Amino acid sequence: GAVVSQHPSWVICKSGTSVKIECRSLDFQATTMFWYRQFPKQSLMLMATSNEGSKATYEQGVEKDKFLINHASLTLSTLTVTSAHPEDSSFYICSAPSRINQPQHFGDGTRLSIL
Amino acid sequence: DAKTTQPPSMDCAEGRAANLPCNHSTISGNEYVYWYRQIHSQGPQYIIHGLKNNETNEMASLIITEDRKSSTLILPHATLRDTAVYYCIVRVATGTASKLTFGTGTRLQVTL
Repeated sequence: GAVVSQHPSWVICKSGTSVKIECRSLDFQATTMFWYRQFPKQSLMLMATSNEGSKATYEQGVEKDKFLINHASLTLSTLTVTSAHPEDSSFYICSAPSRINQPQHFGDGTRLSIL
Repeated sequence: DAKTTQPPSMDCAEGRAANLPCNHSTISGNEYVYWYRQIHSQGPQYIIHGLKNNETNEMASLIITEDRKSSTLILPHATLRDTAVYYCIVRVATGTASKLTFGTGTRLQVTL
């Protein structure tokens, strides 16, 4: 079945560094991917919609210069958290539909801890 | 997308059926009901979806009321591995991929 892979699954880094998270569709092409963030004991919150070959669409309140999204191919979207600070520590999850009108498939998430 | 209301938590004995309700009284005619679950520290997993007819797959059954204002997800024989947060989401499924809006979900605890 359709699989979405995220890498890395867990990352710890110092405050001020930038962190890149990859989201890959393994057996299908995804023109659209979604990025979510989840804080402890809270629900998933959509951050942005990643569109292949064009700019990402960000949800209200999400800083596009802080969270850089690149969707350079039909199987890869990347989220870069720039100049990360402790408040950016969270669980980041991506998803993609295998086809239009099909359910979205989620990656296993990336747990980001900023010291 | 229409808003959904779910109980915050439920318990179920292993081997018994787990019935998880969801209210979506403002659902529109072209909106589907989707169910996902999230096991601790993992990404959400798709379970089932439907428009107005009842649906069944290898994981669960989805019962949608005739007026479509509520639905119930049924796990016929719950196991400990079904312990998770279950999300009921209502959204339009037309055209290009549309985003999912997650509510607070129901935390299902399956016990021995």
